[in-house]
Amino acid sequence: AQSVTQLGSHVSVSEGALVLLRCNYSSSVPPYLFWYVQYPNQGLQLLLKYTSAATLVKGINGFEAEFKKSETSFHLTKPSAHMSDAAEYFCAVIKGAQKLVFGQGTRLTINP
Amino acid sequence: ETGVTQTPRHLVMGMTNKKSLKCEQHLGHNAMYWYKQSAKKPLELMFVYSLEERVENNSVPSRFSPECPNSSHLFLHLHTLQPEDSALYLCASSQGRNNEQFFGPGTRLTVL
Repeated sequence: AQSVTQLGSHVSVSEGALVLLRCNYSSSVPPYLFWYVQYPNQGLQLLLKYTSAATLVKGINGFEAEFKKSETSFHLTKPSAHMSDAAEYFCAVIKGAQKLVFGQGTRLTINP
Repeated sequence: ETGVTQTPRHLVMGMTNKKSLKCEQHLGHNAMYWYKQSAKKPLELMFVYSLEERVENNSVPSRFSPECPNSSHLFLHLHTLQPEDSALYLCASSQGRNNEQFFGPGTRLTVL
């Protein structure tokens, strides 16, 4: 069964610092993986997705994620944090037909 | 309107009321979903509709009743809810298997 684990329910970084949000997955088959972002009082917005093409996936707003099969990881990074990046981030994996399984979420806080 | 829209955005209801949440997608997708997002809990998939047929019901209490009259509209009928049903209810849509889901802004439900 596919599932995802996000390490750290809350991450705090300084403006301009590297952002690293961790996601590990368990899957018996090559997974389809996603990162979503949720700003306050809004729905989820897709940041990027991995569908077994290039292992380094670039998304919107300067975010990228690298699929590492040996580590079963799909960590999200951004070289330089901006105040507008403050939000909750969700890692997700496809399970079965048309069904996303979400991680618990990581709240990102940016310190000025 | 573009994307996925949800109405109302906020709803306060008593335990004896009957209300409905509405979702509309303007993306030509063939699958729609209801999720529940509670504080400090992962996103919970409630219902999945594919080609207007319910294909999944994740042990949701019968006080929640979904309806999908066509591929663009999805409703969630509510009756005799409990205070613990207070949450953000998110609607999403997708096209085909293994494709990303697009989310609406959600309805913030408070049950008194």
